[in-house]
Amino acid sequence: SQQGEEDPQALSIQEGENATMNCSYKTSINNLQWYRQNSGRGLVHLILIRSNEREKHSGRLRVTLDTSKKSSSLLITASRAADTASYFCSQGGSEKLVFGKGTKLTVNP
Amino acid sequence: GAGVSQSPSNKVTEKGKDVELRCDPISGHTALYWYRQSLGQGLEFLIYFQGNSAPDKSGLPSDRFSAERTGGSVSTLTIQRTQQEDSAVYLCASSEWSRAYNEQFFGPGTRLTVL
Repeated sequence: SQQGEEDPQALSIQEGENATMNCSYKTSINNLQWYRQNSGRGLVHLILIRSNEREKHSGRLRVTLDTSKKSSSLLITASRAADTASYFCSQGGSEKLVFGKGTKLTVNP
Repeated sequence: GAGVSQSPSNKVTEKGKDVELRCDPISGHTALYWYRQSLGQGLEFLIYFQGNSAPDKSGLPSDRFSAERTGGSVSTLTIQRTQQEDSAVYLCASSEWSRAYNEQFFGPGTRLTVL
């Protein structure tokens, strides 16, 4: 399967701090995607990084990819209370994506 | 439609009853996925449809679970003889099929409670 494993399982920070979440995977990828889930409902796509990219930015989000270590990180800078959510990674490159258990981020005001 | 829709948004049923959950994917999306998420857990893949190909049913937890996709669009997930452990949020997603880029668009989910 194309499952990513997120780390840590839970992260609690203060508003304004940066949050870093990691993702490890096992097989070769075409791309890696990060999603956010609020309130146990549908996931929202955040950012996609292709296998030939090492870093990508989108607003306050920064994603890195290290294919030699089969790992990716998601950095949220200047966090806000509204960033409180669960974050999931998933590999792309096959017909289906599957997700790990995610990182539950809590940003305290 | 503008996004993936699911119905009902909430379903409460009694143990042993059958339930049907519906998913309307984004028009033109050839791939459709069903996931299940129990309280505080990650997403559990259930089934995947891609165009006219045979569905990937590898994630279905038991033969009480089945799904179909009619006309390559709307999908129905059926759970027969529901059990309390079936209580979860059932999420549907669709995507354009592409090996290079297959962002999934999720519906709001159906929260199933089996009493």
